[in-house]
Parts: sequence; structure tokens; C-alpha cells
Amino acid sequence: EVQLVESGGGVVRPGGSLRLSCAGSGFTFNDHGMSWVRQAPGKGLEWVSGINWNGISTGYADSVKGRFTISRDNAKNSLYLQMNNLRAEDTALYYCARSGYYSYFWHFDLWGRGTLVTVSS
Amino acid sequence: EVVLTQSPGTLSLSPGERATLSCRASQSVNSNYVAWYQQKPGQTPRLLIYVASSRATGIPDRFSGSGSGTDFTLTISRLEPEDFAVYYCQQYGTSPGTFGQGTTVEIK
Repeated sequence: EVQLVESGGGVVRPGGSLRLSCAGSGFTFNDHGMSWVRQAPGKGLEWVSGINWNGISTGYADSVKGRFTISRDNAKNSLYLQMNNLRAEDTALYYCARSGYYSYFWHFDLWGRGTLVTVSS
Repeated sequence: EVVLTQSPGTLSLSPGERATLSCRASQSVNSNYVAWYQQKPGQTPRLLIYVASSRATGIPDRFSGSGSGTDFTLTISRLEPEDFAVYYCQQYGTSPGTFGQGTTVEIK
């Protein structure tokens, strides 16, 4: 089955860190750019970060630049998001999303179910 | 960044009616790189349309996309009960990619 499964979410205090993971299966992982897209409770979608198929090119939303780091391990069919210095406004459901292309900068043709990150004191 | 404004915010229609959703960009979208997604409550977004008018795999032909430049439209020709959901447009012509705020299609 073609799928993405996220993990690593949880409750963290402001200023804390979390590392999200996303495991891909059922498709050739290194044929695709990958992204993290988040959705705050009751709100819309916001692209957070993306990485090209080979991990060389990455991009970040201004709201997370300097605090979040995206990476991937194609040998393990996995995508990661290291989140540091977390803020209350980072509270959201974080989706892993597959680009329909080698670049992360594309439309998303496959989404995971998401992992919830809650930043609260 | 390119700001996408979707209208209306909420569309109240009956099954069988036609739905027309608008997505307007703050600047011209390169190569008409606009996608549309459907999201039902508690579910993950699903790709419907890409490059403004191409239907994604498995999407029924009652869904169609059109437009160019700054104005894009998603049309659902005849609403089925399963089509009542939130719809988002996305542009990926200019980095960073951005989403509209969504249009809710609700049962009248």
C-alpha cells in the first residue's frame, strides 16, 4: 500500500524541541521531493518546509526559518523535521506530503494522516 | 509571497447543484501552477486538480479546474453527498508555495 506515516508529535513546553519522522512505503521514495505542511486547530493549510529528492535543496517558510531543519534518509525511506525553540503558534497537526515530482516545490499527491504537536506551558 | 484569496468563504448548496469556487492570486501564477485539494472533517487533504486544470488520478470528472494568470476556478458540476467538504487552492509557481484560506461547501 502506498502510504506515509508520521510520528514524533507530542506536548512540549515553549522553547523546547521535537523531532518528527515520516516513513514512506509502497513507492520509490527517492523519486520524490517531500514536504511538511501543518494545520493549526480549526485553521487552513500552511507549507512549512520541503526537501528535494536527493536532499541537496531545501526550503523553509519564514515563520520557521532558523528554528526547523528538514532532512531525509532515502536508504530508510524516511523524512524528518527537527523543530527547535518551539512557540505556541507552532501548535498544529503536521502532515508529511509527497510532491508529484523530484522537487519539493510542486503539488502534493500523497499525504500522511499527520502527527499532532502541542506547544504549551 | 503570493497571497491566495478564496471566495466565497462558505457555499451552501443542495446535492445535484453546481458549485463554483474561486481562487484569486495577488500576482500572476507562473505556468498556472495551481492545485486544488479537498479535505473532509478529520481526514487528510486529497489532491483533486493540478496545473490549474489536470485532474488527479481517480478524481471523478464532475470536478474540473480552469483559469490562468491570477484567477482560478474549481467547478463541481453536480454535487454528490460526499463532496461536501473544505476546498483549498495552492500555488506553486513562486516560492514559497502558498495555500488559500479555504472554501467550505456545506449542505443547504
